[in-house]
Amino acid sequence: EAQVTQNPRYLITVTGKKLTVTCSQNMNHEYMSWYRQDPGLGLRQIYYSMNVEVTDKGDVPEGYKVSRKEKRNFPLILESPSPNQTSLYFCASSYTGMFTEAFFGQGTRLTVV
Amino acid sequence: GQQVMQIPQYQHVQEGEDFTTYCNSSTTLSNIQWYKQRPGGHPVFLIQLVKSGEVKKQKRLTFQFGEAKKNSSLHITATQTTDVGTYFCADGTSYGKLTFGQGTILTVHP
Repeated sequence: EAQVTQNPRYLITVTGKKLTVTCSQNMNHEYMSWYRQDPGLGLRQIYYSMNVEVTDKGDVPEGYKVSRKEKRNFPLILESPSPNQTSLYFCASSYTGMFTEAFFGQGTRLTVV
Repeated sequence: GQQVMQIPQYQHVQEGEDFTTYCNSSTTLSNIQWYKQRPGGHPVFLIQLVKSGEVKKQKRLTFQFGEAKKNSSLHITATQTTDVGTYFCADGTSYGKLTFGQGTILTVHP
């Protein structure tokens, strides 16, 4: 089954404790991205990657890191999480960066206390 | 940066009533996509519009792209409880980036 898999689905952590949210897709998509969703703000792009070893900042990259060492995986790293990073996070993938639909993962609800 | 404004933020309807959500941009869009997110779920692609004045239909859903390619709308005829969720438009003009509207949360009362 074609899918984008995120883990974990839920995470509660403390300020400053490094964490990683994993994302994997099995559709051989070149393009992957991360979004955060906050009430009233829609989905905002954090980082995106057009291919292996090619990443770039989205609209809200501060406090986040990403890497793309393999085509199928695109982890999101929070080196020192803060409470303002409490949010719902989605990973997405598509064949290219334009004119193709994005497939979203199930989401990761992160709470930083 | 590019912004897409979506209205209304909330819409409550009785089952059987129609529903419309609108997206507006100050600049010309190359394409616009629509997604639906069920409560507790993830965004799911509905459709993409590319041509000026384009109209596409999916059963009770009608999608329009403005003549100037600066606005778009999603209209649902005779809503059902299964239509509940948040509807997002997304501007795909910039390579590598989908810029989403704020979304419209639709509730349907049986």
